[in-house]
Amino acid sequence: NAGVTQTPKFRILKIGQSMTLQCTQDMNHNYMYWYRQDPGMGLKLIYYSVGAGITDKGEVPNGYNVSRSTTEDFPLRLELAAPSQTSVYFCASGTLYNEQFFGPGTRLTVL
Amino acid sequence: AQKITQTQPGMFVQEKEAVTLDCTYDTSDPSYGLFWYKQPSSGEMIFLIYQGSYDQQNATEGRYSLNFQKARKSANLVISASQLGDSAMYFCAMRWRGAQKLVFGQGTRLTINP
Repeated sequence: NAGVTQTPKFRILKIGQSMTLQCTQDMNHNYMYWYRQDPGMGLKLIYYSVGAGITDKGEVPNGYNVSRSTTEDFPLRLELAAPSQTSVYFCASGTLYNEQFFGPGTRLTVL
Repeated sequence: AQKITQTQPGMFVQEKEAVTLDCTYDTSDPSYGLFWYKQPSSGEMIFLIYQGSYDQQNATEGRYSLNFQKARKSANLVISASQLGDSAMYFCAMRWRGAQKLVFGQGTRLTINP
C-alpha cells in the first residue's frame, strides 16, 4: 500500500493564482483531512470529509475549497492565492476511532 | 471548547536518558482519545502512541509510553533510553466522542545531545 500520497511536493505561486493540491489514499478510509502547518506551529484543520460527497469546514477554511467525489481522492483548491497561504499542507486519512495517517506534505510558497 | 496545551517549546536531553514531554488537555466530554505524533526534520508526521479515556492501563509502544493522569487531564509522553534519532518535533493531539477531527497542540522540539 502507498498509504496517503500528495502532489506536488513543492510549489511556488504568484499572488492571485490558483492551484489544486492532490491527495489520494489507498486504505479505504472514510475520513480524510486537510491541515496546514505554519513555521514553528502545530497543525490547523482546513477541511475534512467523512465520506464521498460529504465535506465540512475545519478551523481555517477561508480561501480554500474541497470536494470528495470518491473515497480515495480529496483535492484541496486554493483560489486567489495570498502570501498568508504560504505553509506546508498535509493531507491525512483514517477511521473514526483510530489514528490518522498523514501524507508527506506539500510545501507552498506564495510570492 | 476542546484544547491541547504543550508548555515546553523545546527540550534538550542527553542521549540514553529518559525524557518526558508534557501535554495537558481540556474537554468536558468523558469519551476521548489522545495521540502523540513525531515530526522529524524531513517533515512527515509519524504516529507514535494512542490512549483512550476509558483505557485502564497506560499505553506503551516499545520505548514510548504514555503517562495518562485523567484527573489532572494530562497525557505526557515518556521516551525511555533516548536516541539521537529521537530528535524531532512532537505533537500531542486529542479527538473527542462524536468528533471526526483531531485538535493538535503547538508541539515540543526535542533535541538529543550525544
